[in-house]
Amino acid sequence: DVKVTQSSRYLVKRTGEKVFLECVQDMDHENMFWYRQDPGLGLRLIYFSYDVKMKEKGDIPEGYSVSREKKERFSLILESASTNQTSMYLCASRPPRQDSYEQYFGPGTRLTVT
Amino acid sequence: AQSVAQPEDQVNVAEGNPLTVKCTYSVSGNPYLFWYVQYPNRGLQFLLKYITGDNLVKGSYGFEAEFNKSQTSFHLKKPSALVSDSALYFCAVRERGYNKLIFGAGTRLAVHP
Repeated sequence: DVKVTQSSRYLVKRTGEKVFLECVQDMDHENMFWYRQDPGLGLRLIYFSYDVKMKEKGDIPEGYSVSREKKERFSLILESASTNQTSMYLCASRPPRQDSYEQYFGPGTRLTVT
Repeated sequence: AQSVAQPEDQVNVAEGNPLTVKCTYSVSGNPYLFWYVQYPNRGLQFLLKYITGDNLVKGSYGFEAEFNKSQTSFHLKKPSALVSDSALYFCAVRERGYNKLIFGAGTRLAVHP
C-alpha cells in the first residue's frame, strides 16, 4: 500500500511565525502536491512538484513556498503565517504516467493560526 | 478552464435506500474523472475513476459511477446505503495531458438509520 505521511495532525501557530509542513511518501512517486481544504471550497492546489528541486505554482500559491530536496519529501512553508491561512492542509503523491492515475493522500494537517 | 460542480451541499438518505451524489464537469478535452471520500479527521480515500471504456465504473465499498459525455456528468451511486457511508464526497477531474486535478466543493452524505 502507498503510504503518505504528514508530520503533524494538528498544529497551532501564532501570526507571523514561519511554519513548516512536511510530507513524506514511500512509493517513489515523482509527482507530489499540496492542497488546502476549506468548507464549501473543496480542495485548492497550492503547489506541486514533478521532480526533485522542481516546483510549479498551483491556483493559490500566495503566502506559501515549497521545497523538494529529496524525492520522497515535499515541504510546504508559510513564510509568515496569517490567520487566513488557518485551514486543513493535504499532501498527495502520484506516479509519473500521464495516462492518469489517482492521487494518494496523506491524513492532513489541521493548522490554526492565532 | 477545467471546473467541477457538485450542486448539492448535503444529501440525506435512509439506510437501505439507493443514493446518488451528483457531479458535473467542464474540460476542453477528454476528462479523467474521480471520486474520493473523506471520513472525519482523515485524508481523502480514492473510490473510483473513469479513464476510458465502459461508462459505468465500479469502485470500492459497492459504489459505482456513470460517465455521461453528453451531459458532462459523473454521478456517484450506490444501490443500498449504509450508515457507515456517511462522509464527505469529492468529485475531481483532470484533463488528459495536464497534471492538475480540479476538485468540486464536496457533498456531505448523511445516511440515517
